[in-house]
Amino acid sequence: ETGVTQTPRHLVMGMTNKKSLKCEQHLGHNAMYWYKQSAKKPLELMFVYNFKEQTENNSVPSRFSPECPNSSHLFLHLHTLQPEDSALYLCASSQGLQGMGNSPLHFGNGTRLTVT
Amino acid sequence: AQTVTQSQPEMSVQEAETVTLSCTYDTSESDYYLFWYKQPPSRQMILVIRQEAYKQQNATENRFSVNFQKAAKSFSLKISDSQLGDAAMYFCAYRSNNRDDKIIFGKGTRLHILP
Repeated sequence: ETGVTQTPRHLVMGMTNKKSLKCEQHLGHNAMYWYKQSAKKPLELMFVYNFKEQTENNSVPSRFSPECPNSSHLFLHLHTLQPEDSALYLCASSQGLQGMGNSPLHFGNGTRLTVT
Repeated sequence: AQTVTQSQPEMSVQEAETVTLSCTYDTSESDYYLFWYKQPPSRQMILVIRQEAYKQQNATENRFSVNFQKAAKSFSLKISDSQLGDAAMYFCAYRSNNRDDKIIFGKGTRLHILP
């Protein structure tokens, strides 16, 4: 148990579906992240929220829409995805203030997404 | 821009032996942190060890230790007395102490433990 919970663990969706991934952290952190992990590729940072404000958006297609209602919850809304979006989506949290570089990421178990 | 390179996609080690995973990075900053994460088949990414760039002493956590060579920008992970539970993907990561939200990962090294 790392204090970061992701649901669902597995998700299969068609290209026309709309679904959401959920992440919740109980560590009192102020920064939350979405990463995409595909086979044989480095972890790709998608979005970063610091104190509920989005501070990073790494040119992610608009079919991925993040939402951070508070510092403990993070969502990733999905719509009209493509098969190449199939991957493991990891949520993480950390202390995100400048000068807190020694604060490691705490990851959830990930959501294995398959787009058919 | 900072980069992290892990040049060994896969490695194998005999149980109870010692193995070293390599990591090099590129940065123009002087204040940063380095991490090794482990991702077993359960998918949970777990912090193994961390190193502050301003500390010359190499970090150690039980059977895990690092060889941090700041001038060479090298940060290798040594696992002593390898155990079957050490089988996993290992990721090296860099985090600036000046930019709070950029954490850069290498591509990972898959470690197999041979019984």
